[in-house]
Amino acid sequence: RKEVEQDPGPFNVPEGATVAFNCTYSNSASQSFFWYRQDCRKEPKLLMSVYSSGNEDGRFTAQLNRASQYISLLIRDSKLSDSATYLCVVNLGRGGGADGLTFGKGTHLIIQP
Amino acid sequence: EAGVTQFPSHSVIEKGQTVTLRCDPISGHDNLYWYRRVMGKEIKFLLHFVKESKQDESGMPNNRFLAERTGGTYSTLKVQPAELEDSGVYFCASSPISWGEQYFGPGTRLTVT
Repeated sequence: RKEVEQDPGPFNVPEGATVAFNCTYSNSASQSFFWYRQDCRKEPKLLMSVYSSGNEDGRFTAQLNRASQYISLLIRDSKLSDSATYLCVVNLGRGGGADGLTFGKGTHLIIQP
Repeated sequence: EAGVTQFPSHSVIEKGQTVTLRCDPISGHDNLYWYRRVMGKEIKFLLHFVKESKQDESGMPNNRFLAERTGGTYSTLKVQPAELEDSGVYFCASSPISWGEQYFGPGTRLTVT
């Protein structure tokens, strides 16, 4: 089983629609959770951290379900500029102060006009 | 505030040669990380510095890779001798605190021929 698993897509979504991604992680001791966005041939850019209580930033809402070990991202009123690859990223909590991030392969989102 | 910078942006070398990549973290960030993405795979953690000390180098592929962070500021990653399978994009990231959000540089695209 992969440590962080995502549906690679692509998700083809019309502009203005709502789209949701899920991601599962393997280690119940994982410490912190993030969604990053990556445009073609660019570096990952932090979109938002994910907290147990859920958090919202404008059109984006992230949720964490520790019991089921999954993370979700909801994008409302999608824009053409939202087209990108969305990376689910987890700090697996491997102990000893080791806090390198573990990445999923990413979900490719295409917003269509 | 300047972001994470990396040099060079691209490097093409022949098998057996040596290449040194450089990363300058965000000023004041004690935590510096190296990651790598090879074609078709997810981004993988290589190692983590806290100031000048290696906190975790569990992701380093083999002893052909040497990372340093003298003085706790910029870091270098040397590959010697380079092999074909070392081709990929090498990202550096920094963070002010452990377990926190990490900010990525633009990456160095390494091609070994």
